[in-house]
Amino acid sequence: GQNIDQPTEMTATEGAIVQINCTYQTSGFNGLFWYQQHAGEAPTFLSYNVLDGLEEKGRFSSFLSRSKGYSYLLLKELQMKDSASYLCAFNDYKLSFGAGTTVTVRA
Amino acid sequence: DAGITQSPRHKVTETGTPVTLRCHQTENHRYMYWYRQDPGHGLRLIHYSYGVKDTDKGEVSDGYSVSRSKTEDFLLTLESATSSQTSVYFCAIRNPGTSGTSTDTQYFGPGTRLTVL
Repeated sequence: GQNIDQPTEMTATEGAIVQINCTYQTSGFNGLFWYQQHAGEAPTFLSYNVLDGLEEKGRFSSFLSRSKGYSYLLLKELQMKDSASYLCAFNDYKLSFGAGTTVTVRA
Repeated sequence: DAGITQSPRHKVTETGTPVTLRCHQTENHRYMYWYRQDPGHGLRLIHYSYGVKDTDKGEVSDGYSVSRSKTEDFLLTLESATSSQTSVYFCAIRNPGTSGTSTDTQYFGPGTRLTVL
């Protein structure tokens, strides 16, 4: 079967770092996506990891371990505008999404 | 931003009526998807298409049908709408890029908020 888990909510302070974990189980895996979704808006693409390791894009980094079925999204130097839901999804030809992690950034 | 639009953006309808949602892309991507998003469930795949007239079911396809007669348009039809189909519907297009690389991208349309009374 297929399963993907991520925490429901996280809270952090402006300027801090937050790590959102995502674990998955699937019989077929081609890569893992991360999306950001602000309330009332469509998800927007953040990253796609195919190989093990860390990929950095400015304040956001994404890590993948295929052998462990594990990924995380690292948000550094948090800003108020980073308050949003963060969705992970694995790619097994079609995308399967987790329920999302709501991140609240406090001043 | 990727060229993907959805219409209508908002719709209120009554139980038992047919409803068609349209997704239009200008990117000439082969893959198109319809999702619904509900609180506590995240994004769930309804149907997807991997080419003109090539479609397949997702995890929540009951009560929905799709058609793709040309590359740029992917239609989602609720033959007889029910209150359980009240949701936000997102269309997505995908460019798989080069296999084995991080070039796969999937972009979402703005969404359609459907209310079935």
